[in-house]
Amino acid sequence: DAGVTQSPTHLIKTRGQQVTLRCSPKSGHDTVSWYQQALGQGPQFIFQYYEEEERQRGNFPDRFSGHQFPNYSSELNVNALLLGDSALYLCASSLGGGTGTQYFGPGTRLTVL
Amino acid sequence: AQSVAQPEDQVNVAEGNPLTVKCTYSVSGNPYLFWYVQYPNRGLQFLLKYITGDNLVKGSYGFEAEFNKSQTSFHLKKPSALVSDSALYFCACKYSGGGADGLTFGKGTHLIIQP
Repeated sequence: DAGVTQSPTHLIKTRGQQVTLRCSPKSGHDTVSWYQQALGQGPQFIFQYYEEEERQRGNFPDRFSGHQFPNYSSELNVNALLLGDSALYLCASSLGGGTGTQYFGPGTRLTVL
Repeated sequence: AQSVAQPEDQVNVAEGNPLTVKCTYSVSGNPYLFWYVQYPNRGLQFLLKYITGDNLVKGSYGFEAEFNKSQTSFHLKKPSALVSDSALYFCACKYSGGGADGLTFGKGTHLIIQP
């Protein structure tokens, strides 16, 4: 049973560029959430996708956008990168809402120079 | 707004001794509570969760946690620590009401088990 997968593993960008991160959920899961984990901090919720719609959003600017595809996989897009966007980006999948446990992927390490 | 506090940046325990990692939360209404563990350069692994029912929740690798509503706490415990338990532990919460599924995490506690 494949768990949550993310690509790429590492990414280096420069300020002002745009980046796309990808996530495939655990088999049988239909909901994808994205989190940003800065160095030394706990993960912060960016947004959640369910049925190809953004269902909930955390306190992140519009530069952060996403998409969910019919096969439940998801992309996170960040425009106009800032140095402060350097972080580990985590994807989590779950089944529906409510009590469904979120299972995390290994993350994508983004470095902005 | 909901929040989670993990008051200890680091907890040191000798192997074989019991361990406790503390967590307090603030949520409007009934909470769902979670513990995750993170190893270096890895994602988060789910340990256990409290949804409803018995206040003592048992999870993976011999860990358990006790939900205390009056103290708004959800401390992680293990009767006998292993060196392999050394890792970064995160407590998380979310509101149990429908639609709000984003988890709020604490800053994490480094657990160091000394041989």
